[in-house]
Formats: sequence, structure tokens, C-alpha cells
Amino acid sequence: AQRVTQPEKLLSVFKGAPVELKCNYSYSGSPELFWYVQYSRQRLQLLLRHISRESIKGFTADLNKGETSFHLKKPFAQEEDSAMYYCALSVNSGGYQKVTFGTGTKLQVIP
Amino acid sequence: KAGVTQTPRYLIKTRGQQVTLSCSPISGHRSVSWYQQTPGQGLQFLFEYFSETQRNKGNFPGRFSGRQFSNSRSEMNVSTLELGDSALYLCASSKILAGESYEQYFGPGTRLTVT
Repeated sequence: AQRVTQPEKLLSVFKGAPVELKCNYSYSGSPELFWYVQYSRQRLQLLLRHISRESIKGFTADLNKGETSFHLKKPFAQEEDSAMYYCALSVNSGGYQKVTFGTGTKLQVIP
Repeated sequence: KAGVTQTPRYLIKTRGQQVTLSCSPISGHRSVSWYQQTPGQGLQFLFEYFSETQRNKGNFPGRFSGRQFSNSRSEMNVSTLELGDSALYLCASSKILAGESYEQYFGPGTRLTVT
């Protein structure tokens, strides 16, 4: 069965410092990985997906199949980045997609 | 295009009661998933419906059930409520089209408090 691990429940960084939110997954095939974000009093929303290889709000994430990781990075943290971040894995199971979320990491950016 | 809507937004129930939550997906989305979100456990998958059929189910007791109607609207029911069922229940919809990335669109959630 697939699994997503986010080892940190809380990550505190100072404004302007680099950020790395860790995500490791277990799946033997070719997964699709996502990062979702939930800002205070807002709904959960997609931040980025690995197939797009894009940078959203300064965040990037590279899929490392050798290390089965999909860490989220940003070179300089901003106060507005404070939020709950979830890593998610989508796999094809029996002809349809099955999604597994990690337990989430709360990012706190200290002014 | 209207987003995913959930009703009610807040609910207070007592132990032993049952509750029904409703979710209306984005127009054209045929897949609806339900999640339980708590501070301690994070986001936990309950079940997913597609074309009125349950396709996936998480590790929740049988007190948690759901259904999907022909217009893709979905309901979730929890019977014999326990204090530990207090949580934010999120609904998410997805297109599920061949070749499309499986992106989920979330609703605002229903905050259930069991006393």
C-alpha cells in the first residue's frame, strides 16, 4: 500500500530564511505527487504538482525517485507562507486514481 | 464556475446521535472524496464516490457511510456519534478524465462538534 510521510509536524523559520518541507513516499510504481496548502481560514488548495515542474509563489518541488522524496522548497520564506502544507500521492489503482495524503506540516514564518 | 460547496458549515450534536453532511461538487466533476481533518491526525481519507459507486474506502468504522446521487452530489452519514468524531469534514471533487492530472478541489468543510 502507498504511504506518504511528512516527518515534521511543525517547522518554524525566520522571514528570509530558506524553507524545506520534507515529504517521503512509499510506492513502487510511477506516482503523481502534489503539494496542497491551507492558509488560515481558507480552504485546502493545490499548490503545485510534480508533472508541471513549475514554481508557485516561489515554491518548487522535485520528485526524487531514487530517494522516494518530493520535498517542497523556497529560498526565502515570507510571512504569508505561514500555513499548513500537505503532501499527497496519487496512483493508478485498478483503473482509477487513489490519493493518499501525509499528516501535514505547519509552517510558521517568524517576522 | 462555482466551487465545491458543503452544508451545513457548522454542526453541534450530542453523543449517540447521527448526522448527515452534504457536498455539491464543481459542475462536471464526477468524483467526490470525503476526508476527516483533526489537529492530531491531520487529513484522513474516508471514502470516494464516482458515478454513484464507492470506489475507495479508508480505515474508518462502519458508522461512517456515504452515498452519491446521479447529479454527483454526495452525502456522508455518521451514526452513533462519539466525542472523537469531532472534526472538520472536507469534501473534494475531481474531474477524472483520461490524461488529466488528478487534482482535487476542496470545499470549505463542515465543522462537527460532538458533546
